[in-house]
Order: sequence, then C-alpha cells, then structure tokens
Amino acid sequence: AQSVTQLGSHVSVSEGALVLLRCNYSSSVPPYLFWYVQYPNQGLQLLLKYTSAATLVKGINGFEAEFKKSETSFHLTKPSAHMSDAAEYFCAVSDRNTPLVFGKGTRLSVIA
Amino acid sequence: DSGVTQTPKHLITATGQRVTLRCSPRSGDLSVYWYQQSLDQGLQFLIQYYNGEERAKGNILERFSAQQFPDLHSELNLSSLELGDSALYFCASSPETGGYGNTIYFGEGSWLTVV
Repeated sequence: AQSVTQLGSHVSVSEGALVLLRCNYSSSVPPYLFWYVQYPNQGLQLLLKYTSAATLVKGINGFEAEFKKSETSFHLTKPSAHMSDAAEYFCAVSDRNTPLVFGKGTRLSVIA
Repeated sequence: DSGVTQTPKHLITATGQRVTLRCSPRSGDLSVYWYQQSLDQGLQFLIQYYNGEERAKGNILERFSAQQFPDLHSELNLSSLELGDSALYFCASSPETGGYGNTIYFGEGSWLTVV
C-alpha cells in the first residue's frame, strides 16, 4: 500500500531563507509523486509532480523537488522564502493503479 | 480557479440528518474524486468515479454514497450524520483514462458542520 510521511507538521522560516519541506514515501511499484499547496480557505493547487522523467522537478512559484529512489524521498525546496509562501503543503503519492494518497501536511510559516 | 465547482460552500446541519454535496468537474474531465479533510485524519480519499462508473473506493463509510451522472457531475450523499463527520469535503477531477500519473484538480471544498 502507498503511504507518505511528512516530517514536521509545522516549519517556520525567515523571509529570504531556504525552505525545506521533507517527504518520504512508501511504494511497492514505481510511484508518481506530487506536492500540492493549500492557501487558507482555498482548495489544493498543484506545485509540481514527478512521473518518472527527470528526477529534479521544477514547479511553480520557484519551488522544486528531487526524487531520490535510494532514500525514498521527495523533499520540496525553495531557495528564498517569501511571505506569500505561507500555506499548508501536502506531499502525495500514487501509482498506475492507486489514486493519490496524501501526507498529513506541513504548515509553513514565514517570518518577516 | 481550477474549474472544479462545488456547492454548497458551507453547510450546517444536525446530527442524524442527510446532506448532498454537489460537484461539477472541469470541462472534459471524466474522473471525479471525493476527499475528506479533517484535523485528525488529514486528507482521506473517499471514492472515485470515471465516466459514470465507480472506479476506486477508499475510506468511505457505509453511511456515505456517491454517484456520477451522465453529464459527469457528481454528488456525495452523507446520511445519519454524526459530529465526527464535520469536515471539509473536496471534489477533484482529472482527464485520465488509465493510470493515476495525471494531475487532479481540486475544487474549493464544501465545509460541513454537524451540530
């Protein structure tokens, strides 16, 4: 069965600092991996996804993630945090036969 | 705007009652998904329909049911409501005909409060 673990339910960074949100997955078959963002009172929006092409995936708003099979990880990074990045971030996994399974989410706070 | 429309946005109802949540997928999308988001359980997959047929089932209670109509809109029916059913219910859609590597697009959700 697919599962996702997001390390840290809350991450706080200063404006301009590196953002690193951690995600580890479990999958018995080649996975598809996603990061979604949820702003307050809104639905989920896709940031980026990995579907077995390049292991370094670039997404919207300056975010990127690297698929590391040996570490079963798909961590999300952004070099410089903006106040507008404050939101809830969800890592998710699926495979050819299984719909998206989400992690518990990580709330990102950005301090001025 | 994802193109997925959900109604109502907010709903308050009493325990034991029944409600129906409605979803219109993005134009052309054949798959509709329902997810429940709560503080304790996080985002849980409930059920998926593809072109009118049930495609996959997740952690959906027997008191809950869904269907997808010929015009592709979907409804999630929640009955014998309990306090613990209070949550944000998301509908999502995608165009895929096969595996799940395609992006799914979420609506803004329907807030259900059971009192």
